[in-house]
Amino acid sequence: SQTIHQWPATLVQPVGSPLSLECTVEGTSNPNLYWYRQAAGRGLQLLFYSVGIGQISSEVPQNLSASRPQDRQFILSSKKLLLSDSGFYLCAWSLGQVGHTEAFFGQGTRLTVV
Amino acid sequence: AQSVTQPDIHITVSEGASLELRCNYSYGATPYLFWYVQSPGQGLQLLLKYFSGDTLVQGIKGFEAEFKRSQSSFNLRKPSVHWSDAAEYFCAVGEDSWGKLQFGAGTQVVVTP
Repeated sequence: SQTIHQWPATLVQPVGSPLSLECTVEGTSNPNLYWYRQAAGRGLQLLFYSVGIGQISSEVPQNLSASRPQDRQFILSSKKLLLSDSGFYLCAWSLGQVGHTEAFFGQGTRLTVV
Repeated sequence: AQSVTQPDIHITVSEGASLELRCNYSYGATPYLFWYVQSPGQGLQLLLKYFSGDTLVQGIKGFEAEFKRSQSSFNLRKPSVHWSDAAEYFCAVGEDSWGKLQFGAGTQVVVTP
């Protein structure tokens, strides 16, 4: 069966510091991968998605970037964190096939920028 | 542009009572529709999905949802809630096979004894 791992679970970082959040998927090949951010009372916002190695699409302009160095690895990064980057970050994967577009989520990373 | 509206931010229900969570969407074609549940500090778990066919879909944990095209709605229901159903529930719309989802703002469900 497929599993998704996301770490760390919580992170407290000072303003201006770099960020690296990692997500890996097991049990499937060539998944679509996503990074979402959840702000209180606002649901989830799609930040990035990837349909293959090295292919990244950004949904909103921001201080973050994403990379997919391997088929089942997705990384969210920042060179210099802002206070507004605080939030709950969720990685997800899907098969990306018609009739199978549901996303499966990791457990999330709570990022607090201080 | 597609959008998803969950009109109820917060719902309180007694254990054993029925529950209905509303979801309305705006989309030009027949969308892919989903309901997810999130426990505090956790990721999202898929409850059920609708792609086509029977408009009443069954999900996990005793939940069901009905797609009504004429009302652009996809409401979630459970006949009898359990204390463990206390969580936040999100409705989502998928526009295509890329799997990108548009989420509603969520409905927080509180279950009282």
